[in-house]
Amino acid sequence: GAGVSQSPRYKVAKRGQDVALRCDPISGHVSLFWYQQALGQGPEFLTYFQNEAQLDKSGLPSDRFFAERPEGSVSTLKIQRTQQEDSAVYLCASSVPGGGNQPQHFGDGTRLSIL
Amino acid sequence: TQLLEQSPQFLSIQEGENLTVYCNSSSVFSSLQWYRQEPGEGPVLLVTVVTGGEVKKLKRLTFQFGDARKDSSLHITAAQPGDTGLYLCAGAPGAQKLVFGQGTRLTINP
Repeated sequence: GAGVSQSPRYKVAKRGQDVALRCDPISGHVSLFWYQQALGQGPEFLTYFQNEAQLDKSGLPSDRFFAERPEGSVSTLKIQRTQQEDSAVYLCASSVPGGGNQPQHFGDGTRLSIL
Repeated sequence: TQLLEQSPQFLSIQEGENLTVYCNSSSVFSSLQWYRQEPGEGPVLLVTVVTGGEVKKLKRLTFQFGDARKDSSLHITAAQPGDTGLYLCAGAPGAQKLVFGQGTRLTINP
């Protein structure tokens, strides 16, 4: 399809396990964003890539969270030693360059549940 | 930290009524975007407002950006059940990332 694709759609893990969430952005979109959305809340910024460069990781809540985009296309958000408070929907968005005025195109998210 | 406060957080009205959702901040934003999110899906952009005082219309939806670029409103005329969803405002504080409000969950009852 032509949109942002995220996988898996649902992930259940036991506390302490590591998880990896994948994002396939729209082809040609150099900007890629990860957001975390808690139940009933708006998305909160985690990190931003321009091509393969991670330009802003100020929203990552701890050093257990790590994101990469090695070839400037697909991105992976990894959470190590998961905790119950990591349970949320993780949204990926991509856009053309041009700052915050550019529309961001969101995937449908990965719903992560930590037991 | 630049915060966006949306009000109301929950709104349930009858089909055919009008409503307004507000998005306020103490900070200036270079632009504000409004998104709509359905359950199990990602947010979908409705509109971007850039100029202070700007008004944009999308069918029965009217979006306004405050003169000082610190606030915005979304007005829906003659609401329909298909308007049900989570409405999010998001600001670009001059950088790439978006800062989102907490959302307004709108329910239109037939």
